[in-house]
Amino acid sequence: NAGVTQTPKFQVLKTGQSMTLQCAQDMNHEYMSWYRQDPGMGLRLIHYSVGAGITDQGEVPNGYNVSRSTTEDFPLRLLSAAPSQTSVYFCASSSSSVTEQFFGPGTRLTVL
Amino acid sequence: GENVEQHPSTLSVQEGDSAVIKCTYSDSASNYFPWYKQELGKGPQLIIDIRSNVGEKKDQRIAVTLNKTAKHFSLHITETQPEDSAVYFCAARTSYDKVIFGPGTSLSVIP
Repeated sequence: NAGVTQTPKFQVLKTGQSMTLQCAQDMNHEYMSWYRQDPGMGLRLIHYSVGAGITDQGEVPNGYNVSRSTTEDFPLRLLSAAPSQTSVYFCASSSSSVTEQFFGPGTRLTVL
Repeated sequence: GENVEQHPSTLSVQEGDSAVIKCTYSDSASNYFPWYKQELGKGPQLIIDIRSNVGEKKDQRIAVTLNKTAKHFSLHITETQPEDSAVYFCAARTSYDKVIFGPGTSLSVIP
């Protein structure tokens, strides 16, 4: 099992550009989530999904969109990148919200 | 809204001493409380978790206690070793299936 994979590992964008961060898991997990990590602020929940076709907003959803068309994939879209979105992004998956979450290796995003 | 607070933000202990990290949560409906360890350049990994129907759980040198009335839970690491140095996060599963993390504690174990 590859576990949770994220691509790309690094990305530099200009303000206003859009892009999609990819996340995939091969553990047949129903629950998937996206977090951003900034110094001193821990992991903040952006969006999450309890199963295919179902998504919901987390703590900091503005500027981000998600979709969950399959159990395996949970892409995160930045609509119009802003410098405030410079961060490390982690995708995670688990069987449910009350079981261990497995995190991907992260994507380091810089918005100039 | 839902919130998880964590203290201290940094902690330095001598090798062999104990380390304690404390967290509080705001949503009284929270029922699952995991702790994650993050090493430099990696994603967080679960080290221990506790559910709301249990007051204490232990796994070798690591233990977690939960006080539902006070809405706080703590991580205890005994006989600390240099490899315990990392950032530790507490989290709480709140209403509507959200898992909210605390801001983290950077633990340094001095040999």
